[in-house]
Amino acid sequence: GAGVSQSPSNKVTEKGKDVELRCDPISGHTALYWYRQSLGQGLEFLIYFQGNSAPDKSGLPSDRFSAERTGGSVSTLTIQRTQQEDSAVYLCASSVRQDQPQHFGDGTRLSIL
Amino acid sequence: AQSVAQPEDQVNVAEGNPLTVKCTYSVSGNPYLFWYVQYPNRGLQFLLKYITGDNLVKGSYGFEAEFNKSQTSFHLKKPSALVSDSALYFCAVRDGKAAGNKLTFGGGTRVLVKP
Repeated sequence: GAGVSQSPSNKVTEKGKDVELRCDPISGHTALYWYRQSLGQGLEFLIYFQGNSAPDKSGLPSDRFSAERTGGSVSTLTIQRTQQEDSAVYLCASSVRQDQPQHFGDGTRLSIL
Repeated sequence: AQSVAQPEDQVNVAEGNPLTVKCTYSVSGNPYLFWYVQYPNRGLQFLLKYITGDNLVKGSYGFEAEFNKSQTSFHLKKPSALVSDSALYFCAVRDGKAAGNKLTFGGGTRVLVKP
């Protein structure tokens, strides 16, 4: 079956531009997570969606970051007014329930010039 | 609060030798523990988990891990390493009593298996 799909796989943009990163979770998975992986910072939790509950946004680093999940499936992570420190690999994961292992996509490598 | 420590940035081992990747954790409630592996330019792949039950957990690709509550450790092991096991390994924990499923990851350990 299909795994977690992320697009684009690579994104290069200029400082100050907005970017949107997309995640298609595994069908039937109710929980969806975004993480950021950067050199020197390891893997950082960003945001978590579970069904129709209010998302856990506790990991978002600033108000330039936002995410939504439409129809309980596809999610979009938006970064406004990008900065060079936003350069990282953004990973999406989903799980069938919140107590089950998370399955990761291959990530979007974001480079801010 | 929850945290994970992987004390070794890199582990080198000869093919056929035993492989151990260390992990210690800290949670206020019950630990749910996970190991993931990451190959270059790929996402993380789930290897195994400990939620409850037997302290020795067996997972994918011949890997196993032992939960040790007194030492708050969850070391990953493989009896005979393969060159193809060379990758980046992450230990992760979540507090089983906390709402949500936010994982906290260790900094990762790079494993290099030499022929």
